[in-house]
Amino acid sequence: GQQLNQSPQSMFIQEGEDVSMNCTSSSIFNTWLWYKQEPGEGPVLLIALYKAGELTSNGRLTAQFGITRKDSFLNISASIPSDVGIYFCAGPSVFGYGKLTFGQGTILTVHP
Amino acid sequence: AAGVIQSPRHLIKEKRETATLKCYPIPRHDTVYWYQQGPGQDPQFLISFYEKMQSDKGSIPDRFSAQQFSDYHSELNMSSLELGDSALYFCASSAPGRADENEQFFGPGTRLTVL
Repeated sequence: GQQLNQSPQSMFIQEGEDVSMNCTSSSIFNTWLWYKQEPGEGPVLLIALYKAGELTSNGRLTAQFGITRKDSFLNISASIPSDVGIYFCAGPSVFGYGKLTFGQGTILTVHP
Repeated sequence: AAGVIQSPRHLIKEKRETATLKCYPIPRHDTVYWYQQGPGQDPQFLISFYEKMQSDKGSIPDRFSAQQFSDYHSELNMSSLELGDSALYFCASSAPGRADENEQFFGPGTRLTVL
């Protein structure tokens, strides 16, 4: 089946720093989704990408859909303590009816 | 804006008991997905429904079953519970047929603990 490799697994940064994480796949995805999950809560959709090469922003978050359609990047600028959480990339199956495959997640810790 | 509603939020059961989890999708969303998330893991797809019909099936044990009702809410029924079933169970909904049909919106989850 489709697999997503997400890195880094965890990041410890100081408030105000920029953050970058990425997701790669051995197969093509037509859509890339980025979610944030806080402890005990459901994933919250941050950004959706639909076109290869697309660059989309949501406040301090910017995500890009790789040209090869096999990767995506998420950047967070000027991090703040409330950015703490687990960030997941996800992509819908191209064979099924949209079930999502998730990356392993990036645990982000922001020190004030 | 209305979100996905799941109930109960927390559930504690004994081994071999039965549990029923409920999901109410966002209004006008006709597709529901169920995911299971173990500690420190990413969500794993279990099953999905579109217009009250099962549309896809993942790694869902035979002890589990689910259905979607005429009002589009869905229920996940889990029988003969095992310790390994302890996890967070999420429901997500989407609205196929639209440009953003791949965007799935997740509920807050049900934390199931099997003792």
